[in-house]
Amino acid sequence: DIQMTQSPSSLSASVGDEVSFTCRASQSIASYLNWYQQKPGKAPKLLIYAASSLQGGVPSRFSGSGSGTDFTLTIFSLQPGDFATYYCQQSYSAPHTFGQGTKLEIK
Amino acid sequence: QVQLQQSGPGLVKPSQTLSLTCDISGDSVSSNSAAWNWIRQSPSRGLEWLGRTYYRSKWYNDYAEFVKSRITINPDTSKNQFSLQLNSVTPEDTAVYYCARDIAVATFDYWGQGTLVTVSS
Repeated sequence: DIQMTQSPSSLSASVGDEVSFTCRASQSIASYLNWYQQKPGKAPKLLIYAASSLQGGVPSRFSGSGSGTDFTLTIFSLQPGDFATYYCQQSYSAPHTFGQGTKLEIK
Repeated sequence: QVQLQQSGPGLVKPSQTLSLTCDISGDSVSSNSAAWNWIRQSPSRGLEWLGRTYYRSKWYNDYAEFVKSRITINPDTSKNQFSLQLNSVTPEDTAVYYCARDIAVATFDYWGQGTLVTVSS
């Protein structure tokens, strides 16, 4: 199975900040990488697919980059609703594994 | 707008069978471009993809290796839904279970509301 490792596990930031999270795959997954946002008690929400494509309806302050084994999710100008947990997930091969998440908290 | 509505019991006894259903609106379980998945989430194991069913001129299923001997995912075209059955459950199967649509290469764009299933006597 492909292992997905996210860092950091948690991050504190303020409204208006720019933040970045990283996700590393245990082997190359080309651009088969998705990012999700999850708020407490809710299902994950797809933000970015294929490493850098913005899902419809997702604000343009969310941006994804990377290929191969290293990927980054960047949020420009944090808004109050952005404080949540973020997960990466590889869609390269089954089982379609997720990272353990990065929790973004308000500073 | 696609909506997925889950139903099923929240408490299952050890060694028994966990059964959940996911009703689909706004799409078809028989779609030739979508796949219908079950994913679970627990504090100890995180998000885990369990398996999927999909139609491409005939029905296919894929299951995660770690549950392959215990899991069945079935479509029901008459009700436009799909189901999860997980046999011989243990407390380690306690989790929030989600159904989800996969529109392109394991990209989960719509999710059900989640069902907390507790395995306990």
